[in-house]
Amino acid sequence: DAGVIQSPRHEVTEMGQEVTLRCKPISGHDYLFWYRQTMMRGLELLIYFNNNVPIDDSGMPEDRFSAKMPNASFSTLKIQPSEPRDSAVYFCASSRSSGGFEQYFGPGTRLTVT
Amino acid sequence: AQSVTQPDIHITVSEGASLELRCNYSYGATPYLFWYVQSPGQGLQLLLKYFSGDTLVQGIKGFEAEFKRSQSSFNLRKPSVHWSDAAEYFCALYSGTYKYIFGTGTRLKVLA
Repeated sequence: DAGVIQSPRHEVTEMGQEVTLRCKPISGHDYLFWYRQTMMRGLELLIYFNNNVPIDDSGMPEDRFSAKMPNASFSTLKIQPSEPRDSAVYFCASSRSSGGFEQYFGPGTRLTVT
Repeated sequence: AQSVTQPDIHITVSEGASLELRCNYSYGATPYLFWYVQSPGQGLQLLLKYFSGDTLVQGIKGFEAEFKRSQSSFNLRKPSVHWSDAAEYFCALYSGTYKYIFGTGTRLKVLA
């Protein structure tokens, strides 16, 4: 399998702009996770989905962040409007409920908001 | 409270030397534990996992980890480090309902 695919790999945008990050999970995986990684806070879980349904979004920082999973093979994380403090690496991961709990991570999207 | 602690932020070893990265956890039941490695600019890759049974688990790239319930530890080891092992290593605990707690990571530097 191709693994978890994320796009873009790098995104540079100006404060106030809308940013959309994309993720394609591994085929057959029924859980999808969005994480944010920063030097200060480490790896933080933002939201996760099961069978395309959001289960826990308690890690989403504020209303500027939203995530969707319209089908089993695609998810988006949107930030609107973006702020400099959103600069981080955003990871998507997927797992299979019958697969032993391990998560498979994508390569990440490095977001820089100027 | 459930938690994962990696006491060492940075570790430096010489190539060919042995390695041990520490991980301590707090969890009320039998834990599911993982070690992941993150190379620069890459996502996290699973090295090994412990669910139950044999307390010494083998992983990829020559790594192993030992689960010690009495010490609440799950330390990662490698007998001989290669320069390509330089990366950041994360210990993680499955905390239930498909949520995971990650440690803060240990950055490994390998000297030639």
